[in-house]
Amino acid sequence: DVKVTQSSRYLVKRTGEKVFLECVQDMDHENMFWYRQDPGLGLRLIYFSYDVKMKEKGDIPEGYSVSREKKERFSLILESASTNQTSMYLCASSPYLAGLGSREQYFGPGTRLTVT
Amino acid sequence: AQKITQTQPGMFVQEKEAVTLDCTYDTSDPSYGLFWYKQPSSGEMIFLIYQGSYDQQNATEGRYSLNFQKARKSANLVISASQLGDSAMYFCAMREGQSNYQLIWGAGTKLIIKP
Repeated sequence: DVKVTQSSRYLVKRTGEKVFLECVQDMDHENMFWYRQDPGLGLRLIYFSYDVKMKEKGDIPEGYSVSREKKERFSLILESASTNQTSMYLCASSPYLAGLGSREQYFGPGTRLTVT
Repeated sequence: AQKITQTQPGMFVQEKEAVTLDCTYDTSDPSYGLFWYKQPSSGEMIFLIYQGSYDQQNATEGRYSLNFQKARKSANLVISASQLGDSAMYFCAMREGQSNYQLIWGAGTKLIIKP
């Protein structure tokens, strides 16, 4: 079974702090993703990575950065946390897709971040 | 414009009844894939079922089936014989052929199964 783990289930940080969210997958997947989830808005993609040291901005990258130094690990960084970044953060991974087929994303349990 | 629309924010269904969750999509790409995910209160997103735009048959996975109506651009999830454990948020998502990576997500439907 694919396993995606996230470093914390719940996190409380203060405004202005630097926050690191870690994600690790054990299936040698090329692609990794960071989403935030807010009620009524579904999932919104922050960043994704298709290879080590490679990253692409998603729909809402402002205020976030990412790091992928090893294939299995993808970190989300909030350089200076703000209250509007209070949200659920979900990490996902998927294998590389050469053609169009069923390549679902596998998700971690999520980190509920509160910024006060 | 919304690319994935789930018009039912919430639904109540009696246990053992079948339930249909609506999803309409908008794309001009002839190649695309449609996904349904379940998110229980624990938070983890669980993949349920996939339908490719060129698939001839409607996808089925156990109690889940996808009612794919291409001309209407609809991909409704049907759950047969609902169970209490089916209570969760359900999300429809689409991957367009141009993008290998990104899924476009609907806002979700909260399904509650009544005993």
